Amino acid sequence: GIQVEQSPPDLILQEGANSTLRCNFSDSVNNLQWFHQNPWGQLINLFYIPSGTKQNGRLSATTVATERYSLLYISSSQTTDSGVYFCAALPGAGSYQLTFGKGTKLSVIP
Amino acid sequence: DSGVTQTPKHLITATGQRVTLRCSPRSGDLSVYWYQQSLDQGLQFLIQYYNGEERAKGNILERFSAQQFPDLHSELNLSSLELGDSALYFCASSSGTELPETQYFGPGTRLLVL
Repeated sequence: GIQVEQSPPDLILQEGANSTLRCNFSDSVNNLQWFHQNPWGQLINLFYIPSGTKQNGRLSATTVATERYSLLYISSSQTTDSGVYFCAALPGAGSYQLTFGKGTKLSVIP
Repeated sequence: DSGVTQTPKHLITATGQRVTLRCSPRSGDLSVYWYQQSLDQGLQFLIQYYNGEERAKGNILERFSAQQFPDLHSELNLSSLELGDSALYFCASSSGTELPETQYFGPGTRLLVL
């Protein structure tokens, strides 16, 4: 099956700093989603981005499907951005199950 | 709020017991997915139902089973529980009518087996 790798595994930022999280996938995808898991365990949809670029406030994401990677940008980070960020890929060929990466644990300190 | 609801939020039980987790999808969604998040295995797909029928199966143990009812809610049954079944269990839903589409996740049920 498809492999999804995320980097870095851990990231510590000072409040106000910017960051880039990376997601590499081993095969072509029909769907690529980014999630934020908050400290209470909730998985929150950030982006559905099989290709191209999207922005939502301080967050933006870019997927380059032909090169099999996606990037999540967080600007002017806040302590509420802390948590684990997951990317998940839906392979082609009629697959319905999302394959998740191991996540990037982000800690934003004041 | 994703619109997907799961009950209960927390569950504590003993080894060997059986539990049922419940999920109500977003209004209008026909597909329901179950995922397990454990410390050692990460987030893994278990099973998917579409309009009452099983559509895809992932890494689901034989001790686990699921079903989707006519009103589209779904239940995940876990039996002969072991310590290693302690995990966060997520339900997700999507319209199920075409690929690709976004899956929306519920708040999860945190299961602790003692």
